[in-house]
Amino acid sequence: GAGVSQSPSNKVTEKGKDVELRCDPISGHTALYWYRQSLGQGLEFLIYFQGNSAPDKSGLPSDRFSAERTGGSVSTLTIQRTQQEDSAVYLCATGTSGGTARGAQYFGPGTRLLVL
Amino acid sequence: GENVEQHPSTLSVQEGDSAVIKCTYSDSASNYFPWYKQELGKGPQLIIDIRSNVGEKKDQRIAVTLNKTAKHFSLHITETQPEDSAVYFCAAASGGSYIPTFGRGTSLIVHP
Repeated sequence: GAGVSQSPSNKVTEKGKDVELRCDPISGHTALYWYRQSLGQGLEFLIYFQGNSAPDKSGLPSDRFSAERTGGSVSTLTIQRTQQEDSAVYLCATGTSGGTARGAQYFGPGTRLLVL
Repeated sequence: GENVEQHPSTLSVQEGDSAVIKCTYSDSASNYFPWYKQELGKGPQLIIDIRSNVGEKKDQRIAVTLNKTAKHFSLHITETQPEDSAVYFCAAASGGSYIPTFGRGTSLIVHP
């Protein structure tokens, strides 16, 4: 079946501009996570959505970052007034919340963001 | 919060040799330990995971062991092949949100 998809695959923007990154989850996956991966680094947790519950925003690095998930499906990560240090790969992952596969995450290919 | 340490950062082996990557965690509440493989330019891919109620799990050439008392877990790859070359991440998470804390990754290079 179709995996997690993310768009755009690459984004180049100028400092100070806003960007929106999109994630389309695997159908039926109620859990959705956003991560940031800087060059050669590990994965930094940003935000977590589970069904209709309030999202866990504890990983967002500043108030310039926000995310929403409409109808429990597609999610959008928005970065306002981008800075050069925001340059990274932004990864989305989804998973189920119960059953034997709980906790397993399936990642999209990521969006490579470059802020000039 | 949880802290996950991963070693080594780089591992170079000859094709056919075994490779072992080790991780330690700090939070005794963690009960789910996945391993991800990330190839260049791609998102991480789950390759194996283990929950705290078992000590070992195997899937063909890969296996994971967990020592809850010592708070460490390891990935074992036998009969390595060049296509095993990638960055491997360990992680630890606890039930509920399952938000994982990742290790910093191990770059595995398998020489033909």
